[in-house]
Amino acid sequence: EPEVTQTPSHQVTQMGQEVILRCVPISNHLYFYWYRQILGQKVEFLVSFYNNEISEKSEIFDDQFSVERPDGSNFTLKIRSTKLEDSAMYFCASSREQVDGYTFGSGTRLTVV
Amino acid sequence: AQSVSQHNHHVILSEAASLELGCNYSYGGTVNLFWYVQYPGQHLQLLLKYFSGDPLVKGIKGFEAEFIKSKFSFNLRKPSVQWSDTAEYFCAVKATTSGTYKYIFGTGTRLKVLA
Repeated sequence: EPEVTQTPSHQVTQMGQEVILRCVPISNHLYFYWYRQILGQKVEFLVSFYNNEISEKSEIFDDQFSVERPDGSNFTLKIRSTKLEDSAMYFCASSREQVDGYTFGSGTRLTVV
Repeated sequence: AQSVSQHNHHVILSEAASLELGCNYSYGGTVNLFWYVQYPGQHLQLLLKYFSGDPLVKGIKGFEAEFIKSKFSFNLRKPSVQWSDTAEYFCAVKATTSGTYKYIFGTGTRLKVLA
């Protein structure tokens, strides 16, 4: 079964540093998403991406965040200057159609120290 | 504002017990409904989904859910749970607003099945 793959699985970074979280969505999927889950809390929507542009973003997705699909296969989330409160599990997801259920990746656990 | 409520935050059951996890949403328009499962240390996996048609939806691993439109509910059920069902279960609603989609997760229900 096709999978969404995310790398790295764990990332530890110092506060103020930039991090890039990488995702390879399923190849024939058109819609891409980032979600995060702070430990013990609910899964929160960050951003959706379609046709090489952001289609929707939440209030969490402020100027320190950006997304990119640089080469037609990777889908990246960049956090420019990390804060302690950015520590969370970040999930990438993709779907073929906008109404479909999503296929989630296994997540990247980001720890900001 | 749209919201998804899962009233049971923690559920503990013995093996072979029946399971019902509640999910209620607040939105008056067209919705698509989903249940996801997250096993310890793993990623979210889709259990089942409802788009239209028969309100009783069957998913993987013996799970089913019933959409009751009048109650704005989409409860997850399983007649007989197993130890391997220990996981966190998330209800999610996809709602359309002015042509855009919002995908909202509930806070999750942590299920522990005792062997």
